[in-house]
Amino acid sequence: SQQGEEDPQALSIQEGENATMNCSYKTSINNLQWYRQNSGRGLVHLILIRSNEREKHSGRLRVTLDTSKKSSSLLITASRAADTASYFCATDYSSARQLTFGSGTQLTVLP
Amino acid sequence: DGGITQSPKYLFRKEGQNVTLSCEQNLNHDAMYWYRQDPGQGLRLIYYSQIVNDFQKGDIAEGYSVSREKKESFPLTVTSAQKNPTAFYLCATHRNFNTGELFFGEGSRLTVL
Repeated sequence: SQQGEEDPQALSIQEGENATMNCSYKTSINNLQWYRQNSGRGLVHLILIRSNEREKHSGRLRVTLDTSKKSSSLLITASRAADTASYFCATDYSSARQLTFGSGTQLTVLP
Repeated sequence: DGGITQSPKYLFRKEGQNVTLSCEQNLNHDAMYWYRQDPGQGLRLIYYSQIVNDFQKGDIAEGYSVSREKKESFPLTVTSAQKNPTAFYLCATHRNFNTGELFFGEGSRLTVL
């Protein structure tokens, strides 16, 4: 099945820096969502952006969506050690309204 | 507290044994899902249910079975037919089968010895 792909697979930054993760997908979508997963835990929803939206903010998070390039980016500003986690994009593209997840970006924020 | 409870958190199984993973929710959500996650991988959909007494196969349903007798419960059985069952299993819910976020449980890690 179609799947979003995150880039990079792993990212290591210093506390206070910004972190940018990208997601590319293959087919037209209804919406795109970003999730966070701490090691060994369940996923937590961060933000949803609809296909007719271009940018969305939530606290230190900024998500952009470019449907012409079939890509999205997640920006975490002023990162903290507690932001260390895996981040997944998920695309809602089918009439069955199932989410399809990418393989994730492992973010490490060094104190 | 409202939420999704998965149990057990850790489970060990001998080859040839069936095991059942529990997923209970008190969010009053209609739709429930089971995903499988392998190390360094994304989530793959095993089964989903939009409503009581109805469920559909996902992308990797072979070797798994489910039931949805109550709105609150969606147990997953990993059968001996599943060739490589060692994985992290995640249960999730959707408020309705339309759009919006998924809510996840804390997962169950199954290891086959």
